[in-house]
Amino acid sequence: AQTVTQSQPEMSVQEAETVTLSCTYDTSENNYYLFWYKQPPSRQMILVIRQEAYKQQNATENRFSVNFQKAAKSFSLKISDSQLGDTAMYFCALLQGAQKLVFGQGTRLTINP
Amino acid sequence: GAGVSQSPSNKVTEKGKDVELRCDPISGHTALYWYRQRLGQGLEFLIYFQGNSAPDKSGLPSDRFSAERTGESVSTLTIQRTQQEDSAVYLCASSLYFGQGYEQYFGPGTRLTVT
Repeated sequence: AQTVTQSQPEMSVQEAETVTLSCTYDTSENNYYLFWYKQPPSRQMILVIRQEAYKQQNATENRFSVNFQKAAKSFSLKISDSQLGDTAMYFCALLQGAQKLVFGQGTRLTINP
Repeated sequence: GAGVSQSPSNKVTEKGKDVELRCDPISGHTALYWYRQRLGQGLEFLIYFQGNSAPDKSGLPSDRFSAERTGESVSTLTIQRTQQEDSAVYLCASSLYFGQGYEQYFGPGTRLTVT
């Protein structure tokens, strides 16, 4: 079975600081996709960043970047220069086969002014 | 263009009643997915549609749950004889095509409360 584990239920940092959210996963597949989703109180799931397993280079989207360690099955999200609007639940997800996303339990991130 | 929409936004029902949840995917999206999110939890996959076909229904929690999709657009998730453990947010997502390279766009969800 494929699993995704987020070991940090909650995190809190000051505005403008850098924060790293952890994620580990388990899969027997060689090719897969990993994602970080943000879920603000509105409940809307928003894709933050994605990584294709066959790509060596870590994905980057503006202030968001990942540290993808394929051998260790680790996929952490780094948010630089954090902003108040980054406050949300963050979910790590693994695309299983070509159909369903397997999600972690989530990390509640709070950015304090 | 409009995103994925779901209705109702919130639904309160009595135990034992049937409920229907609706999802309108992004126009032209051929793949559609249903997920359940219990309070404080991650999302749990329920079922996906490729066009109007649902090849794998093994994610549905029990035979009280069913889903259909017509005309490669609207989908409904039906829960019969609701139980308190069915209380959750039900999220729908759609993607342009079925496959790993295509992003899933999520709707705002329906919060179901069974009293």
